[in-house]
Amino acid sequence: DGGITQSPKYLFRKEGQNVTLSCEQNLNHDAMYWYRQDPGQGLRLIYYSQIVNDFQKGDIAEGYSVSREKKESFPLTVTSAQKNPTAFYLCASSPPPGTARRVNEKLFFGSGTQLSVL
Amino acid sequence: GESVGLHLPTLSVQEGDNSIINCAYSNSASDYFIWYKQESGKGPQFIIDIRSNMDKRQGQRVTVLLNKTVKHLSLQIAATQPGDSAVYFCAESLPMIKAAGNKLTFGGGTRVLVKP
Repeated sequence: DGGITQSPKYLFRKEGQNVTLSCEQNLNHDAMYWYRQDPGQGLRLIYYSQIVNDFQKGDIAEGYSVSREKKESFPLTVTSAQKNPTAFYLCASSPPPGTARRVNEKLFFGSGTQLSVL
Repeated sequence: GESVGLHLPTLSVQEGDNSIINCAYSNSASDYFIWYKQESGKGPQFIIDIRSNMDKRQGQRVTVLLNKTVKHLSLQIAATQPGDSAVYFCAESLPMIKAAGNKLTFGGGTRVLVKP
């Protein structure tokens, strides 16, 4: 998984509960991303962070929150406001701009977390 | 994850044959394209990329073809092996100056099943 660790592999959420998915990388990458994957669909961007203490909303940020207090860590919280949270969540990182023409090139993905609702 | 790919188009190919996976991309302004491979329960892995100033790029056993006229991308796998069984995604990206957050837009994926 290229030095990106996601945990847990499986997670269950009760109605009204917030849950946090962990993502840690030891690749010294500046940029990190969270994607959501639903059956029959491609990956959709939830949030991304290009540098510590900064992050931006992606296409489907509603009902999610993130933090980037450390370069290595980019946890994703699925809040109770997310009414359809069941999906496969993927964390990714990308090398510093100097090693790729653009920061989004050559994403390295974790092994994912499957979130289901009880 | 096990929930991925329940309704994906599927390509069945005999071991040793060549595979061709097709992708129609959405934005004519996209200038960078990537193919990823995702095995069950794992995250996507980078296979090959191509920029819009090229129409063909070859890697190890893989070739990507880009037809900008019809916004079509294909991935060819030579001598397909059982280990090639996976879901394959294409992704596109706009030029950085136009990109909203330098993000990739992924296609829905194709499942490849290699028959022994």
